[in-house]
Amino acid sequence: EVQLVESGGGLVQPGGSLRLSCAASGFTFSTYPMCWVRQAPGMGLEWVSCLIGSGVDTYYADSVKGRFTISRDNSRNTLYLQMNSLRAEDTAVYYCAKREAAVGRSFDHWGQGTLVTVSS
Amino acid sequence: EVVMTQSPATLSVSPGERATLSCRASQSISSNLGWYQQKPGQAPRLLIYLASTRATNIPARFSGSGSGTEFTLTISSLQSEDFAVYYCQQYNNWPLTFGGGTKVEIK
Repeated sequence: EVQLVESGGGLVQPGGSLRLSCAASGFTFSTYPMCWVRQAPGMGLEWVSCLIGSGVDTYYADSVKGRFTISRDNSRNTLYLQMNSLRAEDTAVYYCAKREAAVGRSFDHWGQGTLVTVSS
Repeated sequence: EVVMTQSPATLSVSPGERATLSCRASQSISSNLGWYQQKPGQAPRLLIYLASTRATNIPARFSGSGSGTEFTLTISSLQSEDFAVYYCQQYNNWPLTFGGGTKVEIK
């Protein structure tokens, strides 16, 4: 069974940093593209970033480019999101999601999410 | 950026009735579209991929259609567990983009 478990969320001041983790199990982690999607309170879904393959190919939403960095440790089956220079508008539940070519590159599995609150 | 526009924002439907949700892309995305269902406090769940193929374990009452810029999600006979928010998402171009969602509520 595929499982994705996020951690690392919490309260941080504007301008601060946070690193999110997503522990994966139940599939061959190293062979799948992995992504982060966020959802601000009461709002819709917003794609944040994806990492394709071993990590050479990375993609970011304009809203986080230059501030967030996605990475993975295939030996630990873990996806990361390093978030720097955080702003109030980054407050959201952050989901990690597995991207699957067999379903047309949709997100076929999601974690339960971790809440990031940026506030003074 | 491909802008995804969903309509209506809210759909009030009685149990057993049919629900039709629309999603429009600002440019052609071929069939590279997915539909997701999200219930309060839960992560999204994949319903439909490649515009019209049901994901694993998704009931047959859910169907998707369309290509290019116009897409539809149809729920043929709404069950109590189907009241939720539905999102479309394009994966034809970077950045990946979601529609704003349609909330299906009980009439």
